[in-house]
Amino acid sequence: GQQVMQIPQYQHVQEGEDFTTYCNSSTTLSNIQWYKQRPGGHPVFLIQLVKSGEVKKQKRLTFQFGEAKKNSSLHITATQTTDVGTYFCAGGDYKLSFGAGTTVTVRA
Amino acid sequence: GAGVSQTPSNKVTEKGKYVELRCDPISGHTALYWYRQSLGQGPEFLIYFQGTGAADDSGLPNDRFFAVRPEGSVSTLKIQRTERGDSAVYLCASSPGTPGRAFFGQGTRLTVV
Repeated sequence: GQQVMQIPQYQHVQEGEDFTTYCNSSTTLSNIQWYKQRPGGHPVFLIQLVKSGEVKKQKRLTFQFGEAKKNSSLHITATQTTDVGTYFCAGGDYKLSFGAGTTVTVRA
Repeated sequence: GAGVSQTPSNKVTEKGKYVELRCDPISGHTALYWYRQSLGQGPEFLIYFQGTGAADDSGLPNDRFFAVRPEGSVSTLKIQRTERGDSAVYLCASSPGTPGRAFFGQGTRLTVV
């Protein structure tokens, strides 16, 4: 079945620095979604990418869908303490397959 | 309501007991999903409803798990003869269509002792 893997599992970032988290699928995806889960919270939708090579930006967050539609990345610039949480990518038409997430902590 | 509502928020039960977890989706959302999330993992798909019918129940781990959505709105996840390994956060999500963004509820934390 479809497997989605994320790296790194943990990301410790100095406030103000940039970082990238990566998502790779064993199969071609029709679309990829990204969610953020704060500690003790539930996953909250961030973005959906559909087209090959698509790039979308949300303020300091840049999302990219690979040309082969098998990988994706999330790049955060000038990290803030509000960016703390676990970021999940998920692929699938209706049955989302989630990666294990990248848990981000920020050093002030 | 404004969002997906799940009750109870926490449930502690003894091994072997039966539990029901309830999900009230966003009004008008035809698609409803149940996921299970263990500590340090991403949500794991259990079952998907489109309207009243279970369109895909391939994620249910075994026949102790069952879910219904009789009127196409509220859904109940039922677990019989609970085991300690069933302990997890059970998340419900709804969506206005597929594929599309999923709106998650706060989850029910199930602890089997």
